Amino acid sequence: EAGVTQFPSHSVIEKGQTVTLRCDPISGHDNLYWYRRVMGKEIKFLLHFVKESKQDESGMPNNRFLAERTGGTYSTLKVQPAELEDSGVYFCASSHLNLGNYEQYFGPGTRLTVT
Amino acid sequence: GIQVEQSPPDLILQEGANSTLRCNFSDSVNNLQWFHQNPWGQLINLFYIPSGTKQNGRLSATTVATERYSLLYISSSQTTDSGVYFCAVEEWGRGKLIFGQGTELSVKP
Repeated sequence: EAGVTQFPSHSVIEKGQTVTLRCDPISGHDNLYWYRRVMGKEIKFLLHFVKESKQDESGMPNNRFLAERTGGTYSTLKVQPAELEDSGVYFCASSHLNLGNYEQYFGPGTRLTVT
Repeated sequence: GIQVEQSPPDLILQEGANSTLRCNFSDSVNNLQWFHQNPWGQLINLFYIPSGTKQNGRLSATTVATERYSLLYISSSQTTDSGVYFCAVEEWGRGKLIFGQGTELSVKP
C-alpha cells in the first residue's frame, strides 16, 4: 500500500509568485490534513478535510492560502501571492474515518522557499 | 486549547547510551503519536499510543493517560537516531494534532 505522497518535494519561488502544493493521501483515507513547520518552529495545523468537505480550517493563516480537495481524493494547497514568511515545510497527513484508530500518516513534506 | 510540552528541548548522547524523552499534555486525548523528523525533514511515524506501552526494536513508548504524560525510550542509541522527536496529541473529536516543540537529539559516534 502506497503511503501519503506530496509534490513537489522542493519549491523555490520569488515573493509575489504563486505556488501549488499537491497531496495524495493513502487510498481509502477520508481524513486529510495539512500542517506546516516554519522557521524551525513547532509544527502547526492548517486545515482538515473529511472527504471533499472542509471540516476545520481554523489554522489557515490568511486568505492567501486556498486548499481544495476535489472529489475527496487528492488535495491542493495554493499560496497566492507568496510572502517571505510562508517559507517552511508543508506536510500532508491522512487517516481513516470512524474506525476507532485515529493514527495520522504523514507525507514526506514539501519544502517551500520564498526569496 | 490543549497544551503539549516536551522535555528536554535538546539532548546530546554518546553512541550506545540510553535516553528518555517526555511529553506532558494538559487535557484528555484520544490520539497520541510520536514522530522522528530525520535530517531530510521527513516525519516518520514511531508510535500511535493513546494509552499503554508499545515496543519496536530499540524504541519503546508508554502513555499514562490518567496522568497526562507519555515517555519515549531509546536504548543503545545510534547516530541514525539523531534528529527531532515530536509528540503530538488530538483532543477528543477535534481531529487536528497539536504538536509539542520537539526534542532535538544528537548522537555522537
